[in-house]
Amino acid sequence: GAVVSQHPSRVICKSGTSVKIECRSLDFQATTMFWYRQFPKQSLMLMATSNEGSKATYEQGVEKDKFLINHASLTLSTLTVTSAHPEDSSFYICSATRDRAYEQYFGPGTRLTVT
Amino acid sequence: KQEVTQIPAALSVPEGENLVLNCSFTDSAIYNLQWFRQDPGKGLTSLLLIQSSQREQTSGRLNASLDKSSGRSTLYIAASQPGDSATYLCASGTYKYIFGTGTRLKVLA
Repeated sequence: GAVVSQHPSRVICKSGTSVKIECRSLDFQATTMFWYRQFPKQSLMLMATSNEGSKATYEQGVEKDKFLINHASLTLSTLTVTSAHPEDSSFYICSATRDRAYEQYFGPGTRLTVT
Repeated sequence: KQEVTQIPAALSVPEGENLVLNCSFTDSAIYNLQWFRQDPGKGLTSLLLIQSSQREQTSGRLNASLDKSSGRSTLYIAASQPGDSATYLCASGTYKYIFGTGTRLKVLA
């Protein structure tokens, strides 16, 4: 149990376009989902926390107008990178939790390349 | 603000050695401490989760301990194998995780 999927696994887009990444909890209802990004040879950095039906909470330094997060249901959160630039190229990973005190279950990640 | 540090940053050992990876965190008010491995270009594989009320967890050749008072966790790997080569990450926090800087492990055959 506790499987989280992400789609797509890889995406290449042109500079200036927008890209949507989906994160789904397949066998449980996720009260909270988290979005992380990871640059090459670096650790994961938390971008934002999203709760179903409410606005996401962004970490300091993360542009909320650039990284749009929607958590429309208890099993789906989406991250949209708007007007993507090459510096947005990164590995994006989501996680989901049933409860704030429970462990986080991580998706397999999405590798975004902006050309 | 929680800060998580892992030592060493990189480690290379011959096959069969027992080894210890260290994780330090600055804020002891955590819910969980979780250890992951990450293979190059891949996502995270959860290894062990220690809840704040627990002191250690074991899974096969892995044992993780947690000392909240000193802000430390260790991951012990027994009888290391080349397949253990990966980056190991610890993460701690309350409802949101802060990840450590990682330890890149290479086990030589």
